[in-house]
Amino acid sequence: EAEVAQSPRYKITEKSQAVAFWCDPISGHATLYWYRQILGQGPELLVQFQDESVVDDSQLPKDRFSAERLKGVDSTLKIQPAELGDSAMYLCASSLRLAGITDTQYFGPGTRLTVL
Amino acid sequence: AQTVTQSQPEMSVQEAETVTLSCTYDTSESNYYLFWYKQPPSRQMILVIRQEAYKQQNATENRFSVNFQKAAKSFSLKISDSQLGDTAMYFCAFTPPRGSNYKLTFGKGTLLTVNP
Repeated sequence: EAEVAQSPRYKITEKSQAVAFWCDPISGHATLYWYRQILGQGPELLVQFQDESVVDDSQLPKDRFSAERLKGVDSTLKIQPAELGDSAMYLCASSLRLAGITDTQYFGPGTRLTVL
Repeated sequence: AQTVTQSQPEMSVQEAETVTLSCTYDTSESNYYLFWYKQPPSRQMILVIRQEAYKQQNATENRFSVNFQKAAKSFSLKISDSQLGDTAMYFCAFTPPRGSNYKLTFGKGTLLTVNP
C-alpha cells in the first residue's frame, strides 16, 4: 500500500540553526500539505501545494519558514533560523485532488523537531 | 473563520464496550465536509470516517459511526465493541466547500484509552 514518506523521523537542533524536512507524497497525488502539530493540539496547516504551485501559505511564518515543491512531486520545508517555539511534529499529507471533490488526505509519519 | 471544538481531552473505555467522542463546530457555510482522524501512539494519522453535510444519512464504517446533527453543528463519533487497537488520539476536522482549497481545520483532539 502506497504511503507518504517523510524524513528524518526525528531532528534535534539548536536555536538559530537551519533545519530541513523532506516529504514524498503518494505517487500521482497532486496536492501536498505541510502541517505543524504542537504537543496536545491538532495539526495546523502551514502550506498547501497544488502540483508545484503554492495555493495557501497564509499561516506560514515567512520570515523563517520556506517550502518548495519544484517538480510537483516531493517537497522540502525549511526553517532558518530555528526558534525554541518551533519544537513540534511536522506532518506532511497528500491527496489526489479530483476537481470539485474533497479527497481524503493521507498523512506521513511526521518529523518530530526539538529545538534546544 | 471556522472552529472545531472537542470538549473531552481524555476518555477511557473497557474493551468490548461502546464509547462516544464529541465534536462541535462553527461555520456559516451550508455545505461542508467533516472527518474523524485517528492518530495512534507514534504512528501516522489515518482517516476513520467522513461525512458530507448535504447527506442526511449518518456515515458508518464497520465499528465506527457518526451522529451528525447539522442544526446543532454537532458531529460525534461512536466506537462500538472497542478494541485495544482503538487506543489513540482522535481528531475531528472540518473543511468548507470549494473555493477554500479544502483546508482542514482540526480540533484539539481526544485521547482515547481502551482498557483490557
